[in-house]
This record gives sequence, structure tokens and C-alpha cells, in this order.
Amino acid sequence: GAVVSQHPSRVICKSGTSVKIECRSLDFQATTMFWYRQFPKKSLMLMATSNEGSKATYEQGVEKDKFLINHASLTLSTLTVTSAHPEDSSFYICSALRGEASEKLFFGSGTQLSVL
Amino acid sequence: AQKVTQAQTEISVVEKEDVTLDCVYETRDTTYYLFWYKQPPSGELVFLIRRNSFDEQNEISGRYSWNFQKSTSSFNFTITASQVVDSAVYFCALNSWGKLQFGAGTQVVVTP
Repeated sequence: GAVVSQHPSRVICKSGTSVKIECRSLDFQATTMFWYRQFPKKSLMLMATSNEGSKATYEQGVEKDKFLINHASLTLSTLTVTSAHPEDSSFYICSALRGEASEKLFFGSGTQLSVL
Repeated sequence: AQKVTQAQTEISVVEKEDVTLDCVYETRDTTYYLFWYKQPPSGELVFLIRRNSFDEQNEISGRYSWNFQKSTSSFNFTITASQVVDSAVYFCALNSWGKLQFGAGTQVVVTP
């Protein structure tokens, strides 16, 4: 089956530093990828839609200057949390859309970000 | 606007009992997809099932079964003869045009 690789799985950083999270579709090309955020014991909230070769579309309330998304190739999207603060600590999950059929959505394994 | 409601926050059962998770959704779209995902303590999302809005045929897959009722906008999920490994958070999700709207999740705790 289709595989989406997300790295790192866990990262601890100091406040004020930037952290990059990678999401790769390993055996298919993904023109569209999504980034979600999940707080403890909460649901997944869509942060942004990443489209290859164009600017990401951010959901309401998500700071685009804070969460930089780059989708430079058909197999890679990155999320950079800039100048991270403790309130950015969360579980981040990416997903990749295979083709155009909206039901073919595959998830990465998630990244636990802890900002000290 | 789309909305997915999972009214049950947590369900605790003893092993071998059946568990039914409720999911009610709202959408104005005529074409959409419904999903159930499992999130074990390790965090990754495990895909369980998807259903499109035109397929109301209910399904049984091993110990899992689903009941899709379009008339009541419900997509319930049942685990038969639960096992400890079934302990996880279960999310119902609605997908339209590629965007997934998740419910709040239901924590299932299965004790031996």
C-alpha cells in the first residue's frame, strides 16, 4: 500500500529556534498534501493545504508566517515552525493525496514537537 | 459547513464485549466520503474504512462492522468481541474535496 514517511517522529527544541518537519510520499506522487495539528486528547485540526508548486492555503486562525509550508516536489512537503514557543508544542501529522480521488488519503506517522 | 460529531468521549469495556461508536455528520455536499481511523497510543493514524456517499451498503470485516445511514447522517462503527489491542482513540472523519474534517474522537479502553 501507499506509504507516507514523516520525519522526525519526535523533536525537542529550545524556545526561539525553528524546526522543520518533512513529509514524503514514498511510492506515489502527491500534488496535494495536508498538515494537521493535534493537541493532547483532542481531534486533528487541519492547518493548511500544501499544493506542489504553489503557495499553501492556510485555514482560518493559522499564522502562515509562523508555520511555513513548502511543497517543492511531488513527493515532499515540509512544515517549518519558526521561532517556536512552548505553545507550539503539539503533535503534527501530514497526509498526502494520491491522485485526485479524495478518498485516497494517506497519513504520516506524526511528529511530536516539544518546545522548552 | 461540515461538521462531524462523536458524542461519546470515552467508552470502557471488558474484553470480549462489543463496542459501538457513534458518528453523526453534517454536510451540504452531495458527494463525500466517510472514514474511520484508529489512533493507538503510539500516535499514528490507522485507516480502517471509507465509504462514499452513494454506497449505503453496510459491511463486516472481521470483528469490525459499519452502519451507514444516510437518512440520519450517521456512520456508526462496531467492534465485536473486543480485545485489549483495540484500546485506542477512534476518529470518524468526513472528506469532501480532499479536506478531512475529524470528529473529536472516542477513547476506547478495553480491559482484560
